[in-house]
This record gives sequence, structure tokens and C-alpha cells, in this order.
Amino acid sequence: AQSVSQHNHHVILSEAASLELGCNYSYGGTVNLFWYVQYPGQHLQLLLKYFSGDPLVKGIKGFEAEFIKSKFSFNLRKPSVQWSDTAEYFCAVKGNNRLAFGKGNQVVVIP
Amino acid sequence: NAGVTQTPKFQVLKTGQSMTLQCAQDMNHEYMSWYRQDPGMGLRLIHYSVGAGITDQGEVPNGYNVSRSTTEDFPLRLLSAAPSQTSVYFCASSYSTKGVNTEAFFGQGTRLTVV
Repeated sequence: AQSVSQHNHHVILSEAASLELGCNYSYGGTVNLFWYVQYPGQHLQLLLKYFSGDPLVKGIKGFEAEFIKSKFSFNLRKPSVQWSDTAEYFCAVKGNNRLAFGKGNQVVVIP
Repeated sequence: NAGVTQTPKFQVLKTGQSMTLQCAQDMNHEYMSWYRQDPGMGLRLIHYSVGAGITDQGEVPNGYNVSRSTTEDFPLRLLSAAPSQTSVYFCASSYSTKGVNTEAFFGQGTRLTVV
């Protein structure tokens, strides 16, 4: 079964700062990659996804992620965060019908 | 479409009680799954199903049963509730197109407390 690692569980930054969240996975077969966001008290919502093609994927709300196959990584970025980006972010990897999640990054944006 | 609907939203159980968390989707998705979310642990897969009549265990299946008699419904049963099962439970469904599994759609969650 695949596993997913996310680093820096808690991130605090100011508005307009840039954000990068790391995600590494371990799985030998073909994978689909996702980033989900969970705002306080809500369910998970899809930010972006990668299946094939261009490894640089653009999602909603100005987020993007880059798939680097040789590094088994799928890092999430946003050039300039807003207070409304305060949330928990989860990387997920689907392989062999199983969708596995990382432990999440709690991001707090200070106005 | 209602999407993925979970009931109840909140539940308090006594240790040893049993109950069923309901999950229904109206998108004709083949894949359905149950996760539990605990602080600092992310989402952990309990059970999943790739179609009616087919289920399989995930990462943390002990203490839970599932069945998939229809495409729409995927209930999760707690056989004898324990305090360690206090958690937020999410149901998810996803679809396949041209052989590629796509993103999962999540329900609103069930917050379960076992006392």
C-alpha cells in the first residue's frame, strides 16, 4: 500500500507571503495525485489534481503543484497567501483503488 | 445532485453500543470509502468498495464492518463502540473515466463521541 509524507505540520505566515508545502509518496505503480483543503469545521474540498501530462498543475484559488516523478514528490505552492487560506491541507495519492492521505499541514495566515 | 450525504452529523454512544453510520451518493460512482480523521493523523482509510457487492479493508478496519448492496449506499457499522473510535468519519465516492480513477467527493462528516 502507498504512503504519503507531509512535512512541517504547522505553518504560520503573514498575508502576501509565499507558501510551499511538501508532499512525498511511496508507491511503485501508476498514481493519481491530489491536494485537498479543509477549512475549519468543513469537509475536504479538492484544490488540484494530477493524472498525466504537464507535471505543473494549476488549481483553484491560485494554487499550483508540481509533480516530480524522480523524487516521488507533489509539492503545493501559492505565490501570495491571503487570510482566507487559513486551513488544513492534505496531500493524497491514489494507487490500486486505494486513496491514501498524508497527515496534513495546518496553515495559519496572519493578517 | 445532492452529492455524498452522511447521516447523522453528530452522535454520542456509550461504550459497547453498536450503530451504523449512513452514506449515500447519487452520482453513480463505483468507488466508495470510509475514513476517520483524528488530530495530527490525517485521514486513515477504514474500508472501501470498488462496486456493489465488493468491499475491502483499508488501513484501520478493526471494529468496523461495511457492506455494499447497492451502488448508492455504503453504511459503516460499529459493532461494539470503544472510546478509541471517537473521531470524525468521512465517506467519499469517486468515479472512473477511460480507466482513470478521478478525485474523491466527500460527505460533510459524522462527529462521533464514545463515552
